[in-house]
Amino acid sequence: EAGVAQSPRYKIIEKRQSVAFWCNPISGHATLYWYQQILGQGPKLLIQFQNNGVVDDSQLPKDRFSAERLKGVDSTLKIQPAKLEDSAVYLCASSLGQGAVYEQYFGPGTRLTVT
Amino acid sequence: SQELEQSPQSLIVQEGKNLTINCTSSKTLYGLYWYKQKYGEGLIFLMMLQKGGEEKSHEKITAKLDEKKQQSSLHITASQPSHAGIYLCGADRWNTDKLIFGTGTRLQVFP
Repeated sequence: EAGVAQSPRYKIIEKRQSVAFWCNPISGHATLYWYQQILGQGPKLLIQFQNNGVVDDSQLPKDRFSAERLKGVDSTLKIQPAKLEDSAVYLCASSLGQGAVYEQYFGPGTRLTVT
Repeated sequence: SQELEQSPQSLIVQEGKNLTINCTSSKTLYGLYWYKQKYGEGLIFLMMLQKGGEEKSHEKITAKLDEKKQQSSLHITASQPSHAGIYLCGADRWNTDKLIFGTGTRLQVFP
């Protein structure tokens, strides 16, 4: 079974530029998550999708971050414009459904450096 | 302050030694998850604990959740270089799948 795919793996941009990350979850997984992991910290949930609907985006900085999952499969996370403090690893995860009993499977992450 | 406190922050042990990592919450947990992360990679699920007093083992790794469901420990027996990485505990406090994570414990195992 293929795992969660993410691209690109690494990205370096200057502040005020825009960037987009892509995630392809495990086939059949209805729930998709985007996490931000700053160096030395644990991952922090940015947004959660159930199929193509948003379940939780309370920690997403909506003035600069946006995410979509139009067909309920792949998802993109965009930052526009980027700030220095956005430097982090962006992790995508997916699970079969909502609820604590469903294990989350993580992708390898995209490491973003904003200079 | 962090909702989940992990200790120690980093650990360097000699191969073959046992070690313990702790994860503490000030609030009762519905579920406690342990993940391992290698540099540049995503998180790998290790174990999930839900019941007070529960204990699970996989190969040389054992995780326990205390009776009050506020503290968990991860114990590695006879550590190997392959155990090196960052160990993260995650908690589900509202009986949803919204996880909060600790800051992680970086483990290094030298021959």
